[in-house]
Amino acid sequence: GAVVSQHPSRVICKSGTSVKIECRSLDFQATTMFWYRQFPKQSLMLMATSNEGSKATYEQGVEKDKFLINHASLTLSTLTVTSAHPEDSSFYICSAGLRDSSTDTQYFGPGTRLTVL
Amino acid sequence: DQQVKQNSPSLSVQEGRISILNCDYTNSMFDYFLWYKKYPAEGPTFLISISSIKDKNEDGRFTVFLNKSAKHLSLHIVPSQPGDSAVYFCAASEGAQKLVFGQGTRLTINP
Repeated sequence: GAVVSQHPSRVICKSGTSVKIECRSLDFQATTMFWYRQFPKQSLMLMATSNEGSKATYEQGVEKDKFLINHASLTLSTLTVTSAHPEDSSFYICSAGLRDSSTDTQYFGPGTRLTVL
Repeated sequence: DQQVKQNSPSLSVQEGRISILNCDYTNSMFDYFLWYKKYPAEGPTFLISISSIKDKNEDGRFTVFLNKSAKHLSLHIVPSQPGDSAVYFCAASEGAQKLVFGQGTRLTINP
């Protein structure tokens, strides 16, 4: 159990275009999903917390108008990188929280490699 | 302000021996700690967790120890296997809040 999928796994786009990444919890419902970004040889950096039915909470320094997050259902959250530029090239990973008694364990998707030309 | 620190960027261990990965934290409000394993170009895989009310949690070859007074936790893998070679991240959270990750430790298991 606790499987999280991401689509697409890899995407290459031209500068100025927008890219949508989907994150789905396949076998559980997640009221909270998280979006991370990982630069080469660095740790995961939380970008935003996505709550079903409400606006996402963005971390300091993350542009909410550039990284649009929608959490339309308990099993789906999307991240749209708008007007992508080469510096947005990165590995984007989502996670979904699964509550077990009083603790939440986050389960991660396989990640999406974005390359902006 | 690095609230979760993994001071060893890399660790090499011989197959069959014990691997010990360490993690320190500064926020005394953290009450839930997790270890994740990550291969390149993949998402992290959850390994094991521990609540602050415990000092040890064991799952097969993996054991996590928590020393709250020292704000230190460790992951023990025994016996180490070649498939354990990966980057290991420790993470901490306060309540059901967001996770704070350490920088990761690259573990290499040598045959």
